[in-house]
Amino acid sequence: ILNVEQSPQSLHVQEGDSTNFTCSFPSSNFYALHWYRWETAKSPEALFVMTLNGDEKKKGRISATLNTKEGYSYLYIKGSQPEDSATYLCSTSTNSGYALNFGKGTSLLVTP
Amino acid sequence: DAGVIQSPRHEVTEMGQEVTLRCKPISGHDYLFWYRQTMMRGLELLIYFNNNVPIDDSGMPEDRFSAKMPNASFSTLKIQPSEPRDSAVYFCASRPRQGAYNEQFFGPGTRLTVL
Repeated sequence: ILNVEQSPQSLHVQEGDSTNFTCSFPSSNFYALHWYRWETAKSPEALFVMTLNGDEKKKGRISATLNTKEGYSYLYIKGSQPEDSATYLCSTSTNSGYALNFGKGTSLLVTP
Repeated sequence: DAGVIQSPRHEVTEMGQEVTLRCKPISGHDYLFWYRQTMMRGLELLIYFNNNVPIDDSGMPEDRFSAKMPNASFSTLKIQPSEPRDSAVYFCASRPRQGAYNEQFFGPGTRLTVL
């Protein structure tokens, strides 16, 4: 994998469903992985930053895991709510620079 | 703190016109980044500055794009002349020198439409 890739591109679930998305990234020179949540017309908001293999982070109904050896991270949302509708962006940074390399995002729509 | 401030929030212009996007980073942040968000390409880094100096502009699409940072509290991204394919959301982000794992703080973006 040369770039950060996210799947699926979009997702439509019903309120109360649990869901998850994937972020795949190059494992060489890995430094940190960031998950951002972006609602249209608002600023992308940082959800999690993870650095160590096996890291797990949780914020309310949202959690994330990190596998740096195989180069992937999962984002889970338990009991989706309409207010979870947003684009979820994954990005990585290497230990040789300050820029973030973003995937194209997963667009989530939760309907009542 | 007010966060990263961008203006205008929306811009509609005609092909060939000059467009200037503005950004005020969070006070005390040393790094400033300009990104472009499109459905096809996602969030692309255009250029970033450290202490007002451009460090990496390899993402700037072509000579029609230019960015400046005359002081620590202000940056502009200019497109001249604009083209319909420049239509996108342009984000500005900043981070402090000792940021946690390169975390960046984003502004709300400028939605640009070139007709």
